[in-house]
Amino acid sequence: GEKVEQHESTLSVREGDSAVINCTYTDTASSYFPWYKQEAGKSLHFVIDIRSNVDRKQSQRLIVLLDKKAKRFSLHITATQPEDSAIYFCAASRDNYAQGLTFGLGTRVSVFP
Amino acid sequence: GGIITQTPKFLIGQEGQKLTLKCQQNFNHDTMYWYRQDSGKGLRLIYYSITENDLQKGDLSEGYDASREKKSSFSLTVTSAQKNEMAVFLCASSPTGQGYEQYFGPGTRLTVL
Repeated sequence: GEKVEQHESTLSVREGDSAVINCTYTDTASSYFPWYKQEAGKSLHFVIDIRSNVDRKQSQRLIVLLDKKAKRFSLHITATQPEDSAIYFCAASRDNYAQGLTFGLGTRVSVFP
Repeated sequence: GGIITQTPKFLIGQEGQKLTLKCQQNFNHDTMYWYRQDSGKGLRLIYYSITENDLQKGDLSEGYDASREKKSSFSLTVTSAQKNEMAVFLCASSPTGQGYEQYFGPGTRLTVL
């Protein structure tokens, strides 16, 4: 089955700088790559996703890059703010009907002043 | 908008006990999921269901049963709780065929004594 590796377990960034989280996957059939955020004491909520028909997607301060050849995707949080502090999970699934997601282990992002 | 509710919020059981967790959603979503979140192991898929009375096993289904009695509810049963087990069980739902964003409930925290 699919395996998703999230390369950074923790990330500490100064407010206003960018944070980058990198993930790799193993299943060449995977074509959907969402990111979820989990704030302290709360459940996960969706932040952004990318499908395999594009290699870049931006939503406000979030940019996702996808390199299918390297089976790698990344989340860039630009101009970080204190409210960006959370655990971020990358995930992958195949693009056929409904599938559960395979998650990475999460990256704890801390934004300091 | 909609909401996912999970009951109970906290569940304390004894070794060998059968324990049931419940999830309800009012998004009118077709697909529902159960994930287990362990510290240091990320989220792992236990079961999912693409419609009422459908069940699909995830990577972690051994030791669990699930039931999708109606579209809005999805139950998970721990068939025999393991001593010292501690985890958070997250229920999610998504609108099949319209994109794959999953909406997560607040979780049930299980402790086995």
